[in-house]
Amino acid sequence: DGGITQSPKYLFRKEGQNVTLSCEQNLNHDAMYWYRQDPGQGLRLIYYSQIVNDFQKGDIAEGYSVSREKKESFPLTVTSAQKNPTAFYLCASSERRDGYTFGSGTRLTVV
Amino acid sequence: GENVEQHPSTLSVQEGDSAVIKCTYSDSASNYFPWYKQELGKRPQLIIDIRSNVGEKKDQRIAVTLNKTAKHFSLHITETQPEDSAVYFCAASRGMNYGGSQGNLIFGKGTKLSVKP
Repeated sequence: DGGITQSPKYLFRKEGQNVTLSCEQNLNHDAMYWYRQDPGQGLRLIYYSQIVNDFQKGDIAEGYSVSREKKESFPLTVTSAQKNPTAFYLCASSERRDGYTFGSGTRLTVV
Repeated sequence: GENVEQHPSTLSVQEGDSAVIKCTYSDSASNYFPWYKQELGKRPQLIIDIRSNVGEKKDQRIAVTLNKTAKHFSLHITETQPEDSAVYFCAASRGMNYGGSQGNLIFGKGTKLSVKP
């Protein structure tokens, strides 16, 4: 069953802690993306990757890091430098120039 | 920078009425315009899309129109049903000006549609 899987569904971060959000797809898509969703803000692009071993900053990359060592995987690390990390994080994948398939999201809360 | 404006932010209609959501974009190189529906607590789902070489596309009760000259596109839902209640997002592809890569989308801020029985 093809799709894109995000884990965990809920994540709690303490002040000063780095956390990593997982995103895995078996759709054989080249491109993968991370978006952040805040109430009333829509979806804002954090990082994207068009191909393995390459990724680019999006509009709000500060305080985040990614890697793309495998085609199937695009993990996002929220570092301690991200001062307001509480949000809903969505991963997506696509064939070039096509619509996205989204994961089910990870809700990150700072405690 | 590139921007997508979406209106209205909230829309309430009676069941059976039509609903229209409008978006404008700033990047003249944008050539792909998808619409997503997001139910509460769930992932956005692609419901319809249109490319810049087409002016209108229809899929059952849903249609999208595109005016490239004016840089705006709209979602039309006819005969609305309570299950149409959700947040709808428009998006536009970034052109080659954005770091030389295409394919990533810039989203509007969403429209919360409520369909009253």
